[in-house]
Amino acid sequence: GAVVSQHPSWVICKSGTSVKIECRSLDFQATTMFWYRQFPKQSLMLMATSNEGSKATYEQGVEKDKFLINHASLTLSTLTVTSAHPEDSSFYICSARTPPGQHKNYGYTFGSGTRLTVV
Amino acid sequence: QKEVEQNSGPLSVPEGAIASLNCTYSDRGSQSFFWYRQYSGKSPELIMFIYSNGDKEDGRFTAQLNKASQYVSLLIRDSQPSDSATYLCAVTTSGSARQLTFGSGTQLTVLP
Repeated sequence: GAVVSQHPSWVICKSGTSVKIECRSLDFQATTMFWYRQFPKQSLMLMATSNEGSKATYEQGVEKDKFLINHASLTLSTLTVTSAHPEDSSFYICSARTPPGQHKNYGYTFGSGTRLTVV
Repeated sequence: QKEVEQNSGPLSVPEGAIASLNCTYSDRGSQSFFWYRQYSGKSPELIMFIYSNGDKEDGRFTAQLNKASQYVSLLIRDSQPSDSATYLCAVTTSGSARQLTFGSGTQLTVLP
């Protein structure tokens, strides 16, 4: 079945530094990747949608210069949190659109998530 | 206005009982509806997927969809303590992007 590998699973960084989160589709080509953020006891909020080879589409209220998304290949999408601050501490999850035939996930395969803590 | 609404709970049921989770959505163009289970600190795990009106059963889980009422539900029969988790309702947006929009989740606790 379709698998999306997300790394790192957790990261602690100092305020003002940048952190890169990677999501790789291991056995399929992910033309579309969704990036979500989840604060404690809240639901997943879509941050942006990225399509391979084109600029990401950001949701209202998400700063594109702060959350840099790169989807340069069909198997790799990255989210870089630039100049991180404590309020950016959250659980970040990627989700790839699964191609037809990967019925187990019915269209969406999630990464395992990255717990970011900014101190 | 939220696009996907769920009862936030928490919902507690005794072991062996039926747990009923409800969800309403606002986008009439939505075509696919998902129930995910999420354990604390983990990524969502797909439980059920439904796109036609009516019921869909998979083991102890039954999803029900009523597009006229813009309502989707999940029934869990013979609830087990391991079913204790947050259940997220998700709906695909109409349009080419087909993004998933999530509800706020219902926290379920199954008491032994």
